[in-house]
Amino acid sequence: GNSVTQMEGPVTLSEEAFLTINCTYTATGYPSLFWYVQYPGEGLQLLLKATKADDKGSNKGFEATYRKETTSFHLEKGSVQVSDSAVYFCALRSGTSGTYKYIFGTGTRLKVLA
Amino acid sequence: GAGVSQSPRYKVAKRGQDVALRCDPISGHVSLFWYQQALGQGPEFLTYFQNEAQLDKSGLPSDRFFAERPEGSVSTLKIQRTQQEDSAVYLCASSSPREVEKLFFGSGTQLSVL
Repeated sequence: GNSVTQMEGPVTLSEEAFLTINCTYTATGYPSLFWYVQYPGEGLQLLLKATKADDKGSNKGFEATYRKETTSFHLEKGSVQVSDSAVYFCALRSGTSGTYKYIFGTGTRLKVLA
Repeated sequence: GAGVSQSPRYKVAKRGQDVALRCDPISGHVSLFWYQQALGQGPEFLTYFQNEAQLDKSGLPSDRFFAERPEGSVSTLKIQRTQQEDSAVYLCASSSPREVEKLFFGSGTQLSVL
């Protein structure tokens, strides 16, 4: 079946450091891929997405590229800020309009120190 | 409303009690999802509605779990004869027909079964 695997946390970085959170997936067909973020005390919210191979999603300085050959969608940011401290979830969506199903990874907690 | 609203925010139940969790999606959102999130884990799919039709309930863990959305807006997730393993955060998410790939999540209901 479909699944998402992401690196375990917590990840602790200093402000302005480079961030990579790895995500790989297993899926039949051509899923859409997502990164969701959950800030402390808030609900999950969409950070970025990519719907086909080689697409690059980007938002708030974060980027991720849909790599079909390596079945990966790694999240990167060149210079993290304290405000980026949150839990990041990689996810895929498979199926058609009658059978949409989103599958989430276990989440990676990021802590950025000033 | 401004966002997806879930109530109650916290629920404590004695083992064997029935509980009902409410989700009020964003007005006009056709798709509605329920997820279960255990501590330190990612959201696990429970069920999916398109309007009032429950198109996928493959994630419901047992016949003690029941979800409905009778008028295609508010949804209720009911758990009968709660067990300790039901303790988790229950998340509701909805999406617009114009932007089907963007889920809007509520803050969740944290259920504790004693």
